[in-house]
Amino acid sequence: DAKTTQPTSMDCAEGRAANLPCNHSTISGNEYVYWYRQIHSQGPQYIIHGLKNNETNEMASLIITEDRKSSTLILPHATLRDTAVYYCIVFTGGGNKLTFGTGTQLKVEL
Amino acid sequence: ETGVTQTPRHLVMGMTNKKSLKCEQHLGHNAMYWYKQSAKKPLELMFVYNFKEQTENNSVPSRFSPECPNSSHLFLHLHTLQPEDSALYLCASSQVPTDTQYFGPGTRLTVL
Repeated sequence: DAKTTQPTSMDCAEGRAANLPCNHSTISGNEYVYWYRQIHSQGPQYIIHGLKNNETNEMASLIITEDRKSSTLILPHATLRDTAVYYCIVFTGGGNKLTFGTGTQLKVEL
Repeated sequence: ETGVTQTPRHLVMGMTNKKSLKCEQHLGHNAMYWYKQSAKKPLELMFVYNFKEQTENNSVPSRFSPECPNSSHLFLHLHTLQPEDSALYLCASSQVPTDTQYFGPGTRLTVL
């Protein structure tokens, strides 16, 4: 599976949109972009995934560039409970391995 | 959060003890996974089961012994562990191995 690059940490004011970038320049055509988050010492929580088109659900929006080499996860109105490590993962599923990197530590502050 | 449950949530054991971790998924999935997350390290895949059959063992030491009696339950039997085995052990499930994985809350294991 392709490797991803994310900033180590980001801060966001509560109520504002949090935009978390991810680079995946070596992504293959059959690889999906997945986002998970992990609140301290809890299990990772699935957020959203996409292949080519932008996606939105009740938690977030995923914007994938046309060349698919990067993406942005958007939390439209961040709250303190959104403070977590956010992982961007590219995954085909064929090898079963969901490879987590070091992610972005998002800190939402008042 | 109730889709995948894990018990116990916390476990402290000595190196000579035998204990088991339990995972149960209520999502009707067919694939289940064990992951290990050590302090300040990324998640490591340990085992994969698909329709009760083990399809992947990621070079895990034999002191960790998985068991999958049916598609809803997954166990990790532990014996003669080392202090470096202390970690957060996470269970996950998916409809099939190529699908989205959903994680349980984890068991925080401390080996003394």
